[in-house]
Order: sequence, then C-alpha cells, then structure tokens
Amino acid sequence: DVKVTQSSRYLVKRTGEKVFLECVQDMDHENMFWYRQDPGLGLRLIYFSYDVKMKEKGDIPEGYSVSREKKERFSLILESASTNQTSMYLCASSLYRDRAYEQYFGPGTRLTVT
Amino acid sequence: AQSVTQLDSQVPVFEEAPVELRCNYSSSVSVYLFWYVQYPNQGLQLLLKYLSGSTLVKGINGFEAEFNKSQTSFHLRKPSVHISDTAEYFCAVSAHDMRFGAGTRLTVKP
Repeated sequence: DVKVTQSSRYLVKRTGEKVFLECVQDMDHENMFWYRQDPGLGLRLIYFSYDVKMKEKGDIPEGYSVSREKKERFSLILESASTNQTSMYLCASSLYRDRAYEQYFGPGTRLTVT
Repeated sequence: AQSVTQLDSQVPVFEEAPVELRCNYSSSVSVYLFWYVQYPNQGLQLLLKYLSGSTLVKGINGFEAEFNKSQTSFHLRKPSVHISDTAEYFCAVSAHDMRFGAGTRLTVKP
C-alpha cells in the first residue's frame, strides 16, 4: 500500500511566521502535489512536482513556495504566514505524470494562523 | 481547461436507502474520471475510476458510477447506504491535469 505521511496533523502559527509543511511518500512516485482544502471550494492545487528539483505552479501559488530535494519528500513553505492561509493542507502523490494515474493522499495538516 | 460541478453540496439520507451523488464535467478533450471519499479527519482515498471501456464502473464499499459522455456526467450511486458511508465525496476529472469538484457531504441517518 502507498503511504503518504505529513509531518503534523494540527499546527498553530502566528502571523508573519515562516511555516514548513513536510510530506513523505514511500512508493517511489514521480509526482507530488500540495493542495489546500476549504469548505465549498474543494481542493485547489498550490504546487506540484514531477521530478526532483522540478516544480510547477498550480492555481493558487501566491504566498507559497515548495522544495523537492529528494524524490520521496515534498515540502510546502509559507514564507510569511497570514490569517487567510488558515486551511487544511493535503499532500498527494501519483506514480507517473500520465493523467490516468490516481493520486494518493496524506491525512492532511490543519493549519491555523492567528 | 476542464471543470467539475458537483450538483449537491449536502445529501442527507436514511440508512439502507439508495443514494445518488451527481457530478457533471466540461472538457474540450477526452477525460478520465474519478470519485474519491474523505472520512472525517482523514485524507482522500480512491473509490473508483473510469479510464475507458464499460461505462459502468464498480468501486469499493458497494459504490458504482456511470459515465455518460453525451450528458458529460459521472454520477455515483449506492443501492443501500450504511451509517459508515457518512463522509465527503469528491468527483475529479483528469484532462491536462486533475480538477476536483467542491465536494458533496453525505450524511446517513439511522
């Protein structure tokens, strides 16, 4: 079974702090994704990566950056957290870039910025 | 670009009743279609997917979905729901990339 783990389930940070969310997958998947989930909006793609050190912007990249130094690890960085970044953050991975492959999700990190 | 519309944000239903969760999509190219389920405090997991072939797709936990190309729909159905089916359900369409609907919260009442 594919396992996608996220470093924290719940996180509380102050406005202006730099925040790191970590994601690790154990099945040698090429693609990794970061989404944020908000009620009524579904999942919105922040960034994705299809290879080590490669990244592409999703629909809502503003205020975020990412890092993928190793194939199994994909980090989301909030350079200066703001209250409108309070959300559920989901990491996912998929085997190949081919669009037929489903994504496997981690349990999510609920981030609150005060 | 493709888009997905889940027509109902909330669906309450009694235990052992049938249920249908509706999903419509738009795309200028051929698509692959997916349904995911999210139980409380968990990530999403795949229920079923349509890639090609038979338009009726069976998934886990007794769910099935039918791909209707002319109506651009991919509705999810279950003939008899259980309390444990209470969750949020997401339809997703994959063309150039994967797009998720806003979700339908299914609540099964005893």
